[in-house]
Amino acid sequence: GNSVTQMEGPVTLSEEAFLTINCTYTATGYPSLFWYVQYPGEGLQLLLKATKADDKGSNKGFEATYRKETTSFHLEKGSVQVSDSAVYFCALTPRSNDYKLSFGAGTTVTVRA
Amino acid sequence: GAGVSQSPSNKVTEKGKDVELRCDPISGHTALYWYRQRLGQGLEFLIYFQGNSAPDKSGLPSDRFSAERTGESVSTLTIQRTQQEDSAVYLCASSLHGPMAANYGYTFGSGTRLTVV
Repeated sequence: GNSVTQMEGPVTLSEEAFLTINCTYTATGYPSLFWYVQYPGEGLQLLLKATKADDKGSNKGFEATYRKETTSFHLEKGSVQVSDSAVYFCALTPRSNDYKLSFGAGTTVTVRA
Repeated sequence: GAGVSQSPSNKVTEKGKDVELRCDPISGHTALYWYRQRLGQGLEFLIYFQGNSAPDKSGLPSDRFSAERTGESVSTLTIQRTQQEDSAVYLCASSLHGPMAANYGYTFGSGTRLTVV
């Protein structure tokens, strides 16, 4: 079946620190990969996506590269801000049922001023 | 509306009672989804509606769970004879289309936090 494993949190950082959240997946075929973010009190929002191998998704200073050889999609940001404090979810959809998202457990990130 | 609206935002119920959770999708979105998030876990897919039909209800955990959608709009998720393991955040999402929805983006609601005591 399809599954996503992401690093456990919580993660606490100081402003301007480098953030990495690891994500690996198991899927048949070539899934699409996503990072979703949930800010306090808000709904899940799509942060970035990649639909094929070696694609790089980017948004709001965050980046993730679809690595088929390592089945990974790690999220990175070079300099975090307090406003980046949120829960981050890695997710995938298989090609066959691409309306259905499989999520990781989420990583809570807290950025201190 | 401007976003996906869910009600109530919080619900505490006694074990054995029935509950109804409501989702108002974005106007014009033909596809609607329910997910469940248990504490410390990722979201689990429950059911997918295309229009008023549910071509995929494979994620409903038991026959105590049911959902319907009317007018290609509002959806209700009903849990009968609630159990403590039903405690979770129930999230609704909608999208303009079903197929390829994830690639073009769901819009999620803020969820209903259900606590069964």
